[in-house]
Amino acid sequence: SQQGEEDPQALSIQEGENATMNCSYKTSINNLQWYRQNSGRGLVHLILIRSNEREKHSGRLRVTLDTSKKSSSLLITASRAADTASYFCATDAETDSWGKLQFGAGTQVVVTP
Amino acid sequence: EPEVTQTPSHQVTQMGQEVILRCVPISNHLYFYWYRQILGQKVEFLVSFYNNEISEKSEIFDDQFSVERPDGSNFTLKIRSTKLEDSAMYFCASNRGTVSRSGNTIYFGEGSWLTVV
Repeated sequence: SQQGEEDPQALSIQEGENATMNCSYKTSINNLQWYRQNSGRGLVHLILIRSNEREKHSGRLRVTLDTSKKSSSLLITASRAADTASYFCATDAETDSWGKLQFGAGTQVVVTP
Repeated sequence: EPEVTQTPSHQVTQMGQEVILRCVPISNHLYFYWYRQILGQKVEFLVSFYNNEISEKSEIFDDQFSVERPDGSNFTLKIRSTKLEDSAMYFCASNRGTVSRSGNTIYFGEGSWLTVV
């Protein structure tokens, strides 16, 4: 089954605005992790939220998790041009082996100055 | 901050040639992984490795692929006879494996671009 589908596929905003992207998944999870990928580069870990957590903050990032709806959101506040990247959610499903993450297709975020 | 390092960053190879991609996971980590991302597609799990053996492999990880931890620091992915469809970014990843699974962060490297021509 597919896990971690992001919405929207693409998002274009201006500097200073907030960016919100959503992730839905299908099966029970141990945690959900968000990653950023600049074009053609590596996956940078942003934040991990455990299945028993509902909200987590890290700097300008805020992640929520609703296990009843099997969904998560990532909010980037006061966006900067440097936030331009693709953002992926990845789920660690209870039925999968340790570290076998399932990624979504990602949300491409463009922040214009 | 410790990081996963990968070499080469980019490799072009002819179809049918063997390729070895190298990774140095974070030093105190116990679980190692290879993932790949075909251009424009999702990141896909290939294989996990723990205690010097494969823990799990995906359907993609067929007999053409192998992994090895030849010494205490390196973790390699070998593709025996490359095909055009093996062209992708290959990511190495690792995690400590010593905390509870729910808090287990997976750290990825910068990736190795493989182009098969």
